[in-house]
Amino acid sequence: NAGVTQTPKFQVLKTGQSMTLQCAQDMNHEYMSWYRQDPGMGLRLIHYSVGAGITDQGEVPNGYNVSRSTTEDFPLRLLSAAPSQTSVYFCASSTPASGFYEQYFGPGTRLTVT
Amino acid sequence: GDSVTQMEGPVTLSEEAFLTINCTYTATGYPSLFWYVQYPGEGLQLLLKATKADDKGSNKGFEATYRKETTSFHLEKGSVQVSDSAVYFCALIPNRDDKIIFGKGTRLHILP
Repeated sequence: NAGVTQTPKFQVLKTGQSMTLQCAQDMNHEYMSWYRQDPGMGLRLIHYSVGAGITDQGEVPNGYNVSRSTTEDFPLRLLSAAPSQTSVYFCASSTPASGFYEQYFGPGTRLTVT
Repeated sequence: GDSVTQMEGPVTLSEEAFLTINCTYTATGYPSLFWYVQYPGEGLQLLLKATKADDKGSNKGFEATYRKETTSFHLEKGSVQVSDSAVYFCALIPNRDDKIIFGKGTRLHILP
């Protein structure tokens, strides 16, 4: 049982490049979320999903796209990276009963945009 | 709007010292309150929670009591260990179907 996994661990992009951050969980959790963590800012919710085929925006969705075609995977896409998207990105999952009350977090992806 | 304010770090203590990390909140209604911990190089883990006033959450020797009269949820531990070195986040969920709101985090260093 690997829990929540994220790839890659580190990534450097140039401004304007695109990439996808991968997130997968093997706990059969229906809820999945993406957060970004910036110094002095805590964690902020980007997008979330309550099940396959259902996604919604969080607090800071601009510049990011998501889709949820399977229960296990919830990729985060940056279509045109900007320096302001330099951050550490965390994926989390939970059950419908727990919702945001008890989330399991992945180890994070550290992204630098130059 | 709803928010969480926690003490700025870093907090540096010697092993076996008493720990308090302050957290106060602003929320309409009756929020649920949480402490998450992030060890170096890892994701966040739920440490403890309280869902109604006067509840006490506890785990791994850490405790926090939901004080509605002072809108606080301070994290305490009687005797810290080097392994407690981490970043601690206070968080709240304003109402049952709302999203979670995190504080900015407090970095804790424990010296042997």
